[in-house]
Amino acid sequence: GIQVEQSPPDLILQEGANSTLRCNFSDSVNNLQWFHQNPWGQLINLFYIPSGTKQNGRLSATTVATERYSLLYISSSQTTDSGVYFCAAGSRLTFGEGTQLTVNP
Amino acid sequence: NAGVTQTPKFQVLKTGQSMTLQCAQDMNHNSMYWYRQDPGMGLRLIYYSASEGTTDKGEVPNGYNVSRLNKREFSLRLESAAPSQTSVYFCASSEWSGGYQETQYFGPGTRLLVL
Repeated sequence: GIQVEQSPPDLILQEGANSTLRCNFSDSVNNLQWFHQNPWGQLINLFYIPSGTKQNGRLSATTVATERYSLLYISSSQTTDSGVYFCAAGSRLTFGEGTQLTVNP
Repeated sequence: NAGVTQTPKFQVLKTGQSMTLQCAQDMNHNSMYWYRQDPGMGLRLIYYSASEGTTDKGEVPNGYNVSRLNKREFSLRLESAAPSQTSVYFCASSEWSGGYQETQYFGPGTRLLVL
């Protein structure tokens, strides 16, 4: 099956900083999604982005399907951005192991 | 809309006991999924139902059974619980369009502890 790798595994930022999270996947996909799991465990879908670029407020995502990677950009980070960010790819959504983001005040 | 709901929120079982986790969605989605999440890890697919009346195995189906009761409801059953099934269980739903899965929405999860 498809392999999904995320980097970095952990990231600590000061409030206001920008960051880029990366997701590599092993095969061509027609489905790529980014999720945020907050400290209470709730999973929220951020982007459905099998290709191209999308933006939603301070967050944006780009998927380059031909090169099998996706990037999630977080600008002007806030403490509420803390949590785990998951990338999931493939027809049955294989999840990566996530990036644990901590934003300090 | 409530989205995806799950019951119970927490459950403690003894080894060998059985239980059913319930999931319902009110978004009229065709597809529903069950995942488990172990500490420090991503989600792994247990079973999914592409449409009412169909179910298929995911990555880790052993020890589980599912029932797609109707379009809204998808239940997960542990027939004889084992400590290795201690985990957080998430239900999700999505629609399919043009042969491709669309945005997936998750329930709040069920925390299960098997002693």
